Amino acid sequence: DAGVIQSPRHEVTEMGQEVTLRCKPISGHNSLFWYRQTMMRGLELLIYFNNNVPIDDSGMPEDRFSAKMPNASFSTLKIQPSEPRDSAVYFCASSLTNQPQHFGDGTRLSIL
Amino acid sequence: AQTVTQSQPEMSVQEAETVTLSCTYDTSESDYYLFWYKQPPSRQMILVIRQEAYKQQNATENRFSVNFQKAAKSFSLKISDSQLGDAAMYFCAFSPLAGEKLTFGTGTRLTIIP
Repeated sequence: DAGVIQSPRHEVTEMGQEVTLRCKPISGHNSLFWYRQTMMRGLELLIYFNNNVPIDDSGMPEDRFSAKMPNASFSTLKIQPSEPRDSAVYFCASSLTNQPQHFGDGTRLSIL
Repeated sequence: AQTVTQSQPEMSVQEAETVTLSCTYDTSESDYYLFWYKQPPSRQMILVIRQEAYKQQNATENRFSVNFQKAAKSFSLKISDSQLGDAAMYFCAFSPLAGEKLTFGTGTRLTIIP
């Protein structure tokens, strides 16, 4: 079975550019999570969806960040405009109700 | 708000020996889930073991077991017969329900000495 699929695996771009990270959850899973991992702050939740509806976006840093889940099999995390401090590894995870989360391989984002 | 604390930034153990990683947490919830995730250099996040707070029996998965002390809010991971492939960052995590958001500790980097 395919796991959580994230793309791209690496992204390098200049500050000010728009960045879009993509995630395909495991088929049938009804919850999707976006996490960010940095040396300074560790792993922190940005936003999570249940049945495609955003439930908690309190971790989204600021208006430059937005996330969508147009259907059960796809989600995007967008940063516009990007800044060097956004450099991090971004993980997507999915789960069934009351089941552990399964993580994708992450996207390493570098903003120059 | 929940907090998870891992007080050991780094640990090392001889191959084939046993090591215990510590984790404490704080919550006002009575029912919740605790997890240990492993992150090897490949950066994948791999679920190692989970514990439901309402279960008194400690969870076990092959060489991995936990010591869950609910009153003390402690959740340690014991790795028996350590193998080179166990070298990784280990994160302790909390969620109010298994399918809800995770709150992570800062991690413990485990080195296996051949």
